[in-house]
Amino acid sequence: QKEVEQDPGPLSVPEGAIVSLNCTYSNSAFQYFMWYRQYSRKGPELLMYTYSSGNKEDGRFTAQVDKSSKYISLFIRDSQPSDSATYLCAGNTNAGKSTFGDGTTLTVKP
Amino acid sequence: GAGVSQSPRYKVAKRGQDVALRCDPISGHVSLFWYQQALGQGPEFLTYFQNEAQLDKSGLPSDRFFAERPEGSVSTLKIQRTQQEDSAVYLCASSLGQGVGAFFGQGTRLTVV
Repeated sequence: QKEVEQDPGPLSVPEGAIVSLNCTYSNSAFQYFMWYRQYSRKGPELLMYTYSSGNKEDGRFTAQVDKSSKYISLFIRDSQPSDSATYLCAGNTNAGKSTFGDGTTLTVKP
Repeated sequence: GAGVSQSPRYKVAKRGQDVALRCDPISGHVSLFWYQQALGQGPEFLTYFQNEAQLDKSGLPSDRFFAERPEGSVSTLKIQRTQQEDSAVYLCASSLGQGVGAFFGQGTRLTVV
């Protein structure tokens, strides 16, 4: 079983919808949690990261971490076609490497 | 530079050939990481440098894989005697700190035929 699990989707929503992307993890040592966006044939692009449990908001994006249930979420408000990509969650113990899920593919239809 | 630069972008190697993949991190970034990404999967950790010191190479899949960062900036990932299972995208990332919020390059897509 992978340390970080994501629903692979694909997820298809209409433009303007609220999108919820979720991950679970098993490594209790993770302190930092990250969300990356990856367009086809590109490298992952960091969207945001959070430390420990709590919420963090950046524009249309909100990241939530619940360490008690080992659950990570990313919410996208007012989704746009340009948000269509694969979203990767990751955990990090602050000792170097990040451990990634396999990504959720999102399509936002105009 | 503006971001992490990797070269070549694409590499086709015959089975058994040696390859070398280059990574130019963001200037001043202490930490450098190599990841391997298979189709439809997330990046898998290979190795981690802090300056020129290789602190973690636990993800290298075999002794055919070797990475170096001799002057603490540019890094090279070398794969000897390539096999078909080595076909993947190899991603390099760099960060100021210990890996949280690392910036990735565009990757090198290696195809072994």
